[in-house]
Amino acid sequence: GAGVSQSPSNKVTEKGKDVELRCDPISGHTALYWYRQSLGQGLEFLIYFQGNSAPDKSGLPSDRFSAERTGGSVSTLTIQRTQQEDSAVYLCASSPGQANYEQYFGPGTRLTVT
Amino acid sequence: AQKITQTQPGMFVQEKEAVTLDCTYDTSDPSYGLFWYKQPSSGEMIFLIYQGSYDQQNATEGRYSLNFQKARKSANLVISASQLGDSAMYFCAMREHRDDKIIFGKGTRLHILP
Repeated sequence: GAGVSQSPSNKVTEKGKDVELRCDPISGHTALYWYRQSLGQGLEFLIYFQGNSAPDKSGLPSDRFSAERTGGSVSTLTIQRTQQEDSAVYLCASSPGQANYEQYFGPGTRLTVT
Repeated sequence: AQKITQTQPGMFVQEKEAVTLDCTYDTSDPSYGLFWYKQPSSGEMIFLIYQGSYDQQNATEGRYSLNFQKARKSANLVISASQLGDSAMYFCAMREHRDDKIIFGKGTRLHILP
């Protein structure tokens, strides 16, 4: 079956512009995660959605970052007034949740802020 | 406080030798899970192995095994008979039952030498 997909694969934007990154999880997966990975670094947790529960936003670095998940499926990560330090690969992962917590990762969106 | 610690930023190992990648974790939650992921230069995140805190035996998946030492809060990954294709970044991660989000360590870059 289809895996996790993300779009766009690459995004170059000017400082100060807003960007939207999209994640399509595996159908039926109740959990969805966003991470940020700067060049050569580890994964920084951003936000976590589980079913209809309120999302865990504890990893969002500033109020310029927000995310939503519509209908328990597709998720959009929005970065407002982008800064150069926002340049990174943004990874989305989904998980069946409940007893099985293995995460399935998408290919990521490489964001470059000029 | 850092929840997942990987103390080896880089390792060089001769092909066909076994390799141990270190991971220690910090949690007060009695129920948790530990993961290892591989990230080759292509950037994809590949799930390798999972260990639950209540599992009696160490997890094994092919050439991968997880040396789980609960009292020491250690979850080292052992790769037997290393291959050139094992060269990649390796991440240890943990999920605590109380909030379900999965947190990653900073990773270890493994180089397998011919």
